[in-house]
Amino acid sequence: DIQLTQSPSFLSASVGDRVTITCRASQGISRYLVWYQQKPGKAPELLIYAASTLQSGVPSRFSGSGSGTEFTLTISTLQPEDFATYYCQQLNSHPFTFGPGTKVDIK
Amino acid sequence: QVQLQESGPGLVKPSQTVSLTCTVSGGSINSGGYYWSWIRQHPGKGLEWIGYIYYSGTTDYNPSLKSRVSISVDTPKNQFSLRLNSVTAADTAVYYCARVRYYYERSGYRYSGSIDSWGQGTLVTVSS
Repeated sequence: DIQLTQSPSFLSASVGDRVTITCRASQGISRYLVWYQQKPGKAPELLIYAASTLQSGVPSRFSGSGSGTEFTLTISTLQPEDFATYYCQQLNSHPFTFGPGTKVDIK
Repeated sequence: QVQLQESGPGLVKPSQTVSLTCTVSGGSINSGGYYWSWIRQHPGKGLEWIGYIYYSGTTDYNPSLKSRVSISVDTPKNQFSLRLNSVTAADTAVYYCARVRYYYERSGYRYSGSIDSWGQGTLVTVSS
């Protein structure tokens, strides 16, 4: 199985901050990397697919980059509604696996 | 816009089988191009891939659950289902149904995938 690690696991930030989350894969996954946002009691929502393509309707302050084994999610200017947990997922090979998540909390 | 809704028992006894159904609206399972999936999330934990099914019946399961899981599709009802047998407390989780799509370049080359639609999730508790 392809293992995904995320760093940091927890991040305390203020509104207006720039936030970067990293996802690393145990082997190359090309661009089969997606990012989700999950709020308490809700299903995850797709933010970015193919490592860097913004899902329709997602604010442009979210961006993704990377290829192969290292990927990043950046929130350029953190908004109050962005406090949530963020997961990466690989769909390169079965079983599809998720990263352990990064919780973004209010400082 | 496609919508997915899980249904099934909220409480199951240990060693029994849990059966969940996902009803799809706003789109046809039969139309092809998508894979219909189950994911679970243990309380306060991360996400775990269970498996998926294509409308034709082709399936793929997480090896960690493969011996206990079965996913089926009912195209006339536009539903797909999950059966997980011999459950224990470790199977207590929120179960999500979801849709996987793949992305293709104009050349037909497949370059990525994602889960682009999720159900709201249903909590299954395993307890006597």
